[in-house]
Amino acid sequence: DAMVIQNPRYQVTQFGKPVTLSCSQTLNHNVMYWYQQKSSQAPKLLFHYYDKDFNNEADTPDNFQSRRPNTSFCFLDIRSPGLGDAAMYLCATSRDLSTDVFYEQYFGPGTRLTVT
Amino acid sequence: AQKITQTQPGMFVQEKEAVTLDCTYDTSDQSYGLFWYKQPSSGEMIFLIYQGSYDEQNATEGRYSLNFQKARKSANLVISASQLGDSAMYFCAMISTGENKLVFGAGTILRVKS
Repeated sequence: DAMVIQNPRYQVTQFGKPVTLSCSQTLNHNVMYWYQQKSSQAPKLLFHYYDKDFNNEADTPDNFQSRRPNTSFCFLDIRSPGLGDAAMYLCATSRDLSTDVFYEQYFGPGTRLTVT
Repeated sequence: AQKITQTQPGMFVQEKEAVTLDCTYDTSDQSYGLFWYKQPSSGEMIFLIYQGSYDEQNATEGRYSLNFQKARKSANLVISASQLGDSAMYFCAMISTGENKLVFGAGTILRVKS
């Protein structure tokens, strides 16, 4: 049973044309993350939501935005995609954030974005 | 700042043999967690195993075990009885109280030969 679902799996967009990637989860986890992963590199955290609190990484470009309308769903909006934004975008969830217990992150299958 | 180092860009192993993937880490925090993830060519990141900094026993999950040497700041992944399906990229990652997000190493590509 899929626990973290990402749609679409493959997305092609044109240079400068806004695109939205979606993520949903059935785990009822408090935390949702968006990562960008380029070929042969480690995932790079863009931002995360702890419940409704949004946390942006300092080096995430303004071109990337996110929305979390409810516990289950989280969206990644790329306002004006450039060629350099072509990558795999991974959504992940974790049960909670704690200073005492470290919970594993569950990842979705990813959306591979192509910019033409 | 936290740092994860995986010094092996690529590894080969014969089917049914054991293989060790190296991971060293650097942190000034006393409380932290170490994770290993597997990423097949399909792209999904699959959680394999977790080790907490205060755990006295090495973590094991089926064919996966984590060789945790705290004094050396190493957290090597051992895969026993390798299978062809183990061919993938493997990432070591950590999270700590001081930096509450996963920090990944560069990854090691493992190829299992038949």
